[in-house]
Formats: sequence, structure tokens, C-alpha cells
Amino acid sequence: NAGVMQNPRHLVRRRGQEARLRCSPMKGHSHVYWYRQLPEEGLKFMVYLQKENIIDESGMPKERFSAEFPKEGPSILRIQQVVRGDSAAYFCASSEGGRRDTQYFGPGTRLTVL
Amino acid sequence: DAKTTQPTSMDCAEGRAANLPCNHSTISGNEYVYWYRQIHSQGPQYIIHGLKNNETNEMASLIITEDRKSSTLILPHATLRDTAVYYCIVRVRDDYKLSFGAGTTVTVRA
Repeated sequence: NAGVMQNPRHLVRRRGQEARLRCSPMKGHSHVYWYRQLPEEGLKFMVYLQKENIIDESGMPKERFSAEFPKEGPSILRIQQVVRGDSAAYFCASSEGGRRDTQYFGPGTRLTVL
Repeated sequence: DAKTTQPTSMDCAEGRAANLPCNHSTISGNEYVYWYRQIHSQGPQYIIHGLKNNETNEMASLIITEDRKSSTLILPHATLRDTAVYYCIVRVRDDYKLSFGAGTTVTVRA
């Protein structure tokens, strides 16, 4: 009964490189949410996706950030041309039936930008 | 726009019940109270949620006052592994954007 899985758990990038974070939802869940936790801050919503659809990306920075959840495979959060301010913990959550349901979180990916 | 107020920190004795308060005086009729916890930078872990009735599961109990303006999360027998930051979140059922405040840092001491 695997929970939400995220990889890699730790990612180090140099400024200007790309970061790809992966999230596999719990079995049977088709709704994925990404959150970011900056150092010493609370989690902030970034984006909500269903299979092949972005439902709400209002919390995501307009530039350099993108997310997808293809029909097959994990959800991907992509950060292009990373900057030091992108250093944070990125958490993925999933739910079974959609916006009303309880969200279960993965262990997170800790991104460090040098 | 903080919807909940929680104490910054609290200590609990191992083996005793831990009672975590949360004030949500502006809660509306269609808003649920959710509790999550985050153990040392791990992903938030869902604990319990409720609307107006008290709820209990294998992890905890949630007591909501009759006027719904406050609630208490009860960990019946705290262990050292319950040391974490506990978040009380008020959520309209259709609102998927969970809003995590500062939470309460709970330290369970032997």
C-alpha cells in the first residue's frame, strides 16, 4: 500500500540549470497538488493537476516553472534556469476523487541551488 | 488572512495525553477543520478532520466546540515519535489549496 512517492529526495543544481521533480500519486489517485516550502516558512500551494490537465496553477511563478501530469507516468514539476531563491522543499500531494478529498503528501524533494 | 490561531509551542510528557488547541473564531458553516503534522521536514502527514461532530481514528481524537469556534486535537498517549509541528487548517470542502500557517511545535519529552 505505497503512499505518494517523490524522487529524487535531494537534488543539487547550479544556477542556470534545470530541475525536474517527479511525483507518483497513491494508487487509485488521479489528482496531484504541488506545494513549496521555503526555509523557515509554511507550505504554499503551487499547482493542481489531473491526468493530462492543469486545473489551477495560480500559485506557481509565471516564469521558469511548469508542471505536467501525463496520461502515463508521474507528475513532473520542472524548473528552468534555477536561481538560489528556488532552494526549497517541494512536496507533492494526491487525492482520490478531487478537490473535496483529503490530500496525502509525499516525502518531498529538497532542492539546493548552488 | 490567518483563519486559525495556535500556540507557538508546547511540551508534553511521554505516555500522557497531548491536547493541542486551535482557535478558528471566524469559521463558517461549510468549513472543515483539518489537522496535519510535519515531523522534522518530512512531508505533512494527515491526522484527522471534522465538520461539527467529534471524530476519532487510530491516531487521534478531534473535539470541536458546539459553536465551532475552537477545537482540540488529542493524542491519547504521546510518544517521542509524536514530536512534530502540528497544523490546524480550516478548509471549505471544495478548496483544494491547503493553507499551512506556523502551526504548533510539539515536543514530547521522556
